[in-house]
Amino acid sequence: AQSVSQHNHHVILSEAASLELGCNYSYGGTVNLFWYVQYPGQHLQLLLKYFSGDPLVKGIKGFEAEFIKSKFSFNLRKPSVQWSDTAEYFCAVNALTGTASKLTFGTGTRLQVTL
Amino acid sequence: GAVVSQHPSRVICKSGTSVKIECRSLDFQATTMFWYRQFPKKSLMLMATSNEGSKATYEQGVEKDKFLINHASLTLSTLTVTSAHPEDSSFYICSAPDRDRGNYGYTFGSGTRLTVV
Repeated sequence: AQSVSQHNHHVILSEAASLELGCNYSYGGTVNLFWYVQYPGQHLQLLLKYFSGDPLVKGIKGFEAEFIKSKFSFNLRKPSVQWSDTAEYFCAVNALTGTASKLTFGTGTRLQVTL
Repeated sequence: GAVVSQHPSRVICKSGTSVKIECRSLDFQATTMFWYRQFPKKSLMLMATSNEGSKATYEQGVEKDKFLINHASLTLSTLTVTSAHPEDSSFYICSAPDRDRGNYGYTFGSGTRLTVV
């Protein structure tokens, strides 16, 4: 069974600081990888996803993530965070089985950006 | 893009009553719908997977008789919390897979905040 771990539970950064949120998964086969964001009071939104190809994926709002297969990692990065990036970030993985399969989520990382 | 409409967004009910949550796929057919529950400060936990025209598949530890799932059509899946208790208070989210350039993306509903008093 697949599992996802996010190492940082709560991160506090000042505006303009660089961000990196860790995500590791466990599954021996081919996977799709996702990062979702949940702003306060809002629903989950897709930040970016990796299916295949270039392991460096660029998403919305200046976020990017790098898939490192050998490390089973898919860390999220942003060079310079803004106050509006304050939100909960979830890494998710699904195993490619040929049919739509469930997403397994990490426990989430709460990002707080201070002015 | 694909949209999943989830209603109601908030509901308060008395202990012992039942509550129905609906998720509709707009502009696409959702043969599968995933139902998640989000606990405060915790991740989304998959409760069950509904499939149009067949019985739902429940995750371990989820009571089938308490969380009734029906997937009556290709655009509608419902979750009914029966005989609700305060411990059922939570945030429930549905999600449907949607083909996206040959791969699977997932579209989430806006969630339902259930409060049982």
